[in-house]
Amino acid sequence: EPEVTQTPSHQVTQMGQEVILRCVPISNHLYFYWYRQILGQKVEFLVSFYNNEISEKSEIFDDQFSVERPDGSNFTLKIRSTKLEDSAMYFCASSDRTGTDTQYFGPGTRLTVL
Amino acid sequence: AQTVTQSQPEMSVQEAETVTLSCTYDTSENNYYLFWYKQPPSRQMILVIRQEAYKQQNATENRFSVNFQKAAKSFSLKISDSQLGDTAMYFCAFMKRLGASGTYKYIFGTGTRLKVLA
Repeated sequence: EPEVTQTPSHQVTQMGQEVILRCVPISNHLYFYWYRQILGQKVEFLVSFYNNEISEKSEIFDDQFSVERPDGSNFTLKIRSTKLEDSAMYFCASSDRTGTDTQYFGPGTRLTVL
Repeated sequence: AQTVTQSQPEMSVQEAETVTLSCTYDTSENNYYLFWYKQPPSRQMILVIRQEAYKQQNATENRFSVNFQKAAKSFSLKISDSQLGDTAMYFCAFMKRLGASGTYKYIFGTGTRLKVLA
């Protein structure tokens, strides 16, 4: 069964450094998402991406964040200058033909900012 | 604004027994989608079940079923014949349309930590 994959599974970085989190969505999916879960809290929407551009973004998704689909398979989230409060689990998700299709989540990347 | 409330932070159930996790939500929309996701200790988000609001019939998926009460805005998850592998955090989620873009996002509840006891 096709799955969303994410790399790395755990990323440790120093405050102020740039990180890139990578995702490979399910191959025939058209909509892509990033969510964040700070430890012990609920999962929060960051951004949606369709047709090679951002569809919607939350207030969390400020200028430090960017997303890209550099080729036909990868979908990346970049944080330019990490802050301590960016430490969280980051989930990538993708969905099929329409926005109302179920979103399938990857296993997540645990980001630790020191 | 849409909100999702899970009032049970933690629950436990004996193996083979049945447990019900509650979820309520608030929306002014008429057509929407509701989900339950499971997050085991590995922290991966795994889809358990999906319910379309326009469907009166409650969704079922093997040992998992929902009690969807649209008027009461209630969406509870029933797990029958609980297994040790069901131990996880369970999140209720509401799918919200994001303006004119046609995309949607999930609004998650705070989760219920379920422990299945041997």
